[in-house]
Amino acid sequence: QSVLTQPPSASGTPGQRVTISCSGNSSNIGSNSVYWYQQLPGTAPKLLIYRNNRRPSGVPDRFSGSKSGTAASLAISGLRSEDEAHYYCGAWDDSLSGRGVFGGGTKLTVL
Amino acid sequence: QVQLVQSGPEVKKPGASVKLACQASGYSFISHYIHWVRQAPGRGLEWMGVINPNGGTTGYEQKFQGRITVTRDTSRSTVYMELSSLRSDDTAVYYCARDLSTGWPGGGLDVWGQGTTVIVSS
Repeated sequence: QSVLTQPPSASGTPGQRVTISCSGNSSNIGSNSVYWYQQLPGTAPKLLIYRNNRRPSGVPDRFSGSKSGTAASLAISGLRSEDEAHYYCGAWDDSLSGRGVFGGGTKLTVL
Repeated sequence: QVQLVQSGPEVKKPGASVKLACQASGYSFISHYIHWVRQAPGRGLEWMGVINPNGGTTGYEQKFQGRITVTRDTSRSTVYMELSSLRSDDTAVYYCARDLSTGWPGGGLDVWGQGTTVIVSS
């Protein structure tokens, strides 16, 4: 059971906009930044969004993040076939002397 | 370039220990925390622990307390993660990852190692 809650799956057609939600509580998302990672099959995760809505260099502006209270979301616009991957949200949690926490992951399928 | 290179795959018997290495290069080793994250086959990401290379202070996920030890060797720019009393459900890919922030472990993980596969089987 993951600390952060994500839907297990999402889907969309090329060109569409899809969003993936991430729900937490006051000790993680409610008081710290949210991060999003993309994981392609057989590869290490890649940082997609940091500090709720910032993109590392090289990440297309089709990817955007937002946060409100204890929830966050990742939006992907202009969906492309290469966006098919697993997406994970993460945050620092201030409980239990501090720890990292992740969502269970969302498998995005491009139809 | 900034990178983390991990040690090779391991096969262990139940009850044994494994010690994995993660060598950093391309940046100031002591400036960024290093985290350990694992992923069991077909499962999601699981945070295990973190070390501040500047001083060596550590933090661990509660479920691994007593079984995990993370250390660093600043002369080699290398972080080690040892997991003891291995069980079959410790079979996973283990990643080390650099924290984006300096001075705090909650900045997000911007550089990842390639992963080390650990198989626990009798």
